[in-house]
Amino acid sequence: AQSVSQHNHHVILSEAASLELGCNYSYGGTVNLFWYVQYPGQHLQLLLKYFSGDPLVKGIKGFEAEFIKSKFSFNLRKPSVQWSDTAEYFCAVRRGGADGLTFGKGTHLIIQP
Amino acid sequence: GAVVSQHPSWVICKSGTSVKIECRSLDFQATTMFWYRQFPKQSLMLMATSNEGSKATYEQGVEKDKFLINHASLTLSTLTVTSAHPEDSSFYICSARGPTGREQFFGPGTRLTVL
Repeated sequence: AQSVSQHNHHVILSEAASLELGCNYSYGGTVNLFWYVQYPGQHLQLLLKYFSGDPLVKGIKGFEAEFIKSKFSFNLRKPSVQWSDTAEYFCAVRRGGADGLTFGKGTHLIIQP
Repeated sequence: GAVVSQHPSWVICKSGTSVKIECRSLDFQATTMFWYRQFPKQSLMLMATSNEGSKATYEQGVEKDKFLINHASLTLSTLTVTSAHPEDSSFYICSARGPTGREQFFGPGTRLTVL
């Protein structure tokens, strides 16, 4: 069965620190990749997505992610985090041809001022 | 744009009763909607895919007779938890396939507590 692994369940950083959240998936075929963010008390919002083309994708709020096919990875990065980035981050994968998404367990990110 | 709402946002019911949760796409038509379930501190798990005008497709292990899904219009899908039991307590989240067909937009979720 397809699975999505997020290696860091809890991350605590200081403002202006750099961020990298890991995401690996197990499916070997064509995939679409997503990162979602859930701010406290709010619904899931799409940060960025990869369907094809340039493996380095840029999303909202200064986030970017790199798809490395050989490593089955889609890590999320931000060079300088802000206090407002405190949230839950979910990596998700959709297999080519499928509809629903398979989510990782999420990473709870806390940014200390 | 691409806003999805859910109602109610939270519900408490007695064991054995049925609960209906609504999912609406407010500013676009969604031929396909999805229902997910999230346990505390765990991932979202896809329960079923809801297609307008046809039967829902359930993921393996999801009881279709317990979780009834109706997608009667292009903007509304409902999930009915029948004969709810405490183990059905969870956070239920719906999403709708967006206008481009490749993205999903999520509702705010419904917290169900079964006593």
